[in-house]
Amino acid sequence: GNSVTQMEGPVTLSEEAFLTINCTYTATGYPSLFWYVQYPGEGLQLLLKATKADDKGSNKGFEATYRKETTSFHLEKGSVQVSDSAVYFCALSDPANQAGTALIFGKGTTLSVSS
Amino acid sequence: KAGVTQTPRYLIKTRGQQVTLSCSPISGHRSVSWYQQTPGQGLQFLFEYFSETQRNKGNFPGRFSGRQFSNSRSEMNVSTLELGDSALYLCASSLEATKPNSPLHFGNGTRLTVT
Repeated sequence: GNSVTQMEGPVTLSEEAFLTINCTYTATGYPSLFWYVQYPGEGLQLLLKATKADDKGSNKGFEATYRKETTSFHLEKGSVQVSDSAVYFCALSDPANQAGTALIFGKGTTLSVSS
Repeated sequence: KAGVTQTPRYLIKTRGQQVTLSCSPISGHRSVSWYQQTPGQGLQFLFEYFSETQRNKGNFPGRFSGRQFSNSRSEMNVSTLELGDSALYLCASSLEATKPNSPLHFGNGTRLTVT
């Protein structure tokens, strides 16, 4: 079946460090891929998405490229800030669900950035 | 614009009881999805409602049910509660049901504890 695997956390970085959070997926068909973020005390919110192979999603300095050949969607940021401390979830939309509302999530990676 | 509102924030129930959780989507959003979040299984899709009809369903037993009202507000019900139902239940709304992969907007969740 469809699944998402993302790297275990927590990830602890100093401000201005480079961030990579790995995400790989297994899916039949051609899913759309997402990164959601949950800041402390807030609900999950969409960070970025990519809907087809080789698409690059970007937002707030974060980027991820949909790599079909490696079934990956790794999240990167060149210089993290303390305000980026949050839990990050990789997700895919079940290709059978055209509305894209039935998401399959990874377990989440906690990022902690210190100044 | 008000976000997704879930009530109550916390619930404590006893095994065998039933419970009803409520979700008010963002104004104008017609799709409401429900997710269960546990430390072991992570975020799992329960079901999605659109225009008062269940459009998608995850792999949960029939004890889990839901409904949507004409104003798009949604409720989910869990009957015959089990200890394993203890979880954070998240509701998410989406604006455009015909445009795939519209962002999901999540509420802060209802924390259910079954004793």
